[in-house]
Amino acid sequence: GAGVSQSPSNKVTEKGKDVELRCDPISGHTALYWYRQRLGQGLEFLIYFQGNSAPDKSGLPSDRFSAERTGESVSTLTIQRTQQEDSAVYLCASSGYRGENYGYTFGSGTRLTVV
Amino acid sequence: GQNIDQPTEMTATEGAIVQINCTYQTSGFNGLFWYQQHAGEAPTFLSYNVLDGLEEKGRFSSFLSRSKGYSYLLLKELQMKDSASYLCAVRGLIGNTPLVFGKGTRLSVIA
Repeated sequence: GAGVSQSPSNKVTEKGKDVELRCDPISGHTALYWYRQRLGQGLEFLIYFQGNSAPDKSGLPSDRFSAERTGESVSTLTIQRTQQEDSAVYLCASSGYRGENYGYTFGSGTRLTVV
Repeated sequence: GQNIDQPTEMTATEGAIVQINCTYQTSGFNGLFWYQQHAGEAPTFLSYNVLDGLEEKGRFSSFLSRSKGYSYLLLKELQMKDSASYLCAVRGLIGNTPLVFGKGTRLSVIA
């Protein structure tokens, strides 16, 4: 697509429930990133996919977090047994391996609220 | 380790010039980015520096000194719409390795 699309834009869930967040990157972009941004804070790296290589999961905060991506298409970030501290905006970005200075294009994010 | 520092908040007057500083300590360096983020919106790309010096793009300029681990973003002829957070981010290694972001500087432009 023309831009990075994320869904849902907002999600309110009860503590303990599982949630799935979706990211549809720019067509042809080989790299896809998930970041988390808590209120008033900077962007915290979660996970990175590059083509068909093994993902870099070094930023995932706990084993309740997981993400998948098939090839260069859609990615889903799953949070199991959500906790209140998971409340944040989850941002997805994609970049082309030879894109403009490897710069990112961000989606509008999913605002997750755990109550 | 990775450490990126920038001021938390700044205030400047409409029409003025403001400089937002960023210092970094990272394992390896392959470029520094500045992003603008309006409240409730996604970050948008502003500038990229990989070599020392000043990159100018309209009202915005970005400077890099690799030896000092230092960058600044210069905004001229400030407008009210420039009120936003400005994020400094560093790429530590070659290729598409994830950017490390600072916590951002919230700029308020007042009349």
